[in-house]
Amino acid sequence: LAKTTQPISMDSYEGQEVNITCSHNNIATNDYITWYQQFPSQGPRFIIQGYKTKVTNEVASLFIPADRKSSTLSLPRVSLSDTAVYYCLVGDGNNNDMRFGAGTRLTVKP
Amino acid sequence: DAGVIQSPRHEVTEMGQEVTLRCKPISGHDYLFWYRQTMMRGLELLIYFNNNVPIDDSGMPEDRFSAKMPNASFSTLKIQPSEPRDSAVYFCASSLISVGQGAPDTQYFGPGTRLTVL
Repeated sequence: LAKTTQPISMDSYEGQEVNITCSHNNIATNDYITWYQQFPSQGPRFIIQGYKTKVTNEVASLFIPADRKSSTLSLPRVSLSDTAVYYCLVGDGNNNDMRFGAGTRLTVKP
Repeated sequence: DAGVIQSPRHEVTEMGQEVTLRCKPISGHDYLFWYRQTMMRGLELLIYFNNNVPIDDSGMPEDRFSAKMPNASFSTLKIQPSEPRDSAVYFCASSLISVGQGAPDTQYFGPGTRLTVL
């Protein structure tokens, strides 16, 4: 399983765009990049998943460069309720035991 | 669907006692995962099942931990005897396999059981 590296913590202010970058230098050809969000006292929940280029949904955007060795989760106009830990995971559909790293603790300030 | 259901939500016990955590996955899901989360070690995968069969239990810390899935709608994680270092939040998650899609399946997590061993 490809190892991922992401910042331990980030601070932002309400209304700003937040970009969290994840490095996965050893990503395999069949691997996808998946991001989960975890609020305090809750289990993680799926945010977005992608293989290459750009993926956008109602919550976030995911940017993946051509070499796929990194990816960036973009949260537009964050609010206080976006304060959470964000996990980047790499894996393929043949292996469902994706491993969660330390994640990035995002704190949104008023 | 009610989502993944875990019980109890909180458990306080004394060292040496047996602890049983329960999980009901989302109906129709093929995979069930047990995780443990602590401040020091983060979110660790303990074991996961596919169609009620344990696939990988390499994350189970030691023989004091055991997990079973007697049917598609119920799983237990048992700790016997419990120790203070087992104090953590234990999450259960389930997913539905998407045949031929190629991407990992979305895992749906329960609310967790906060275990405190005194």
